[in-house]
Amino acid sequence: AQTVTQSQPEMSVQEAETVTLSCTYDTSESDYYLFWYKQPPSRQMILVIRQEAYKQQNATENRFSVNFQKAAKSFSLKISDSQLGDAAMYFCAYRSANYGGSQGNLIFGKGTKLSVKP
Amino acid sequence: DGGITQSPKYLFRKEGQNVTLSCEQNLNHDAMYWYRQDPGQGLRLIYYSQIVNDFQKGDIAEGYSVSREKKESFPLTVTSAQKNPTAFYLCASSSRTSGGTYNEQFFGPGTRLTVL
Repeated sequence: AQTVTQSQPEMSVQEAETVTLSCTYDTSESDYYLFWYKQPPSRQMILVIRQEAYKQQNATENRFSVNFQKAAKSFSLKISDSQLGDAAMYFCAYRSANYGGSQGNLIFGKGTKLSVKP
Repeated sequence: DGGITQSPKYLFRKEGQNVTLSCEQNLNHDAMYWYRQDPGQGLRLIYYSQIVNDFQKGDIAEGYSVSREKKESFPLTVTSAQKNPTAFYLCASSSRTSGGTYNEQFFGPGTRLTVL
């Protein structure tokens, strides 16, 4: 079974600086997707960024980028020029790309709470 | 506006009572999901449905039941058999690609259930 681990329960960053959130996962599959979701105090889950395992190029969405290391099974999120609105829980998630009954289901890590200091 | 709605936002129930949480989507998504979120636990999958009139158990289905009579709707019933039902419940949906795989999940705003 696949697992996702976020080893940093809490992180803090100064406004305008850069922070990196860590995520590792365990799987025997070769084809899968990885995601970072943001959950602000409103508790609405928002997709931040997505990475396909077959792509070597790291995904980027504006100030958000990932460092995907497939061999190491590592998927970290870098937030540049941090803003007060970035303060939230961040969840790393895994999804199999294989066909089958559970394809499409997400497996989540326990989350990292990010605080942004003005 | 297209999206996923969940109601009510807050729900209180007495021990021993069943309660149903609503989830509706107008995105024309094929698959729908129910998650439970507890402090420090992340999200855990309760049930999912990939097609009308069919659904599958997730990791923590005991004490819960669902139905999928319409594509747009996937209500979750928390039964009296669920021993620790106080939690935040999130519904999600995703579309199926032409190749048969699934796109990313979009989430509703959630329902906070408290057992008194």
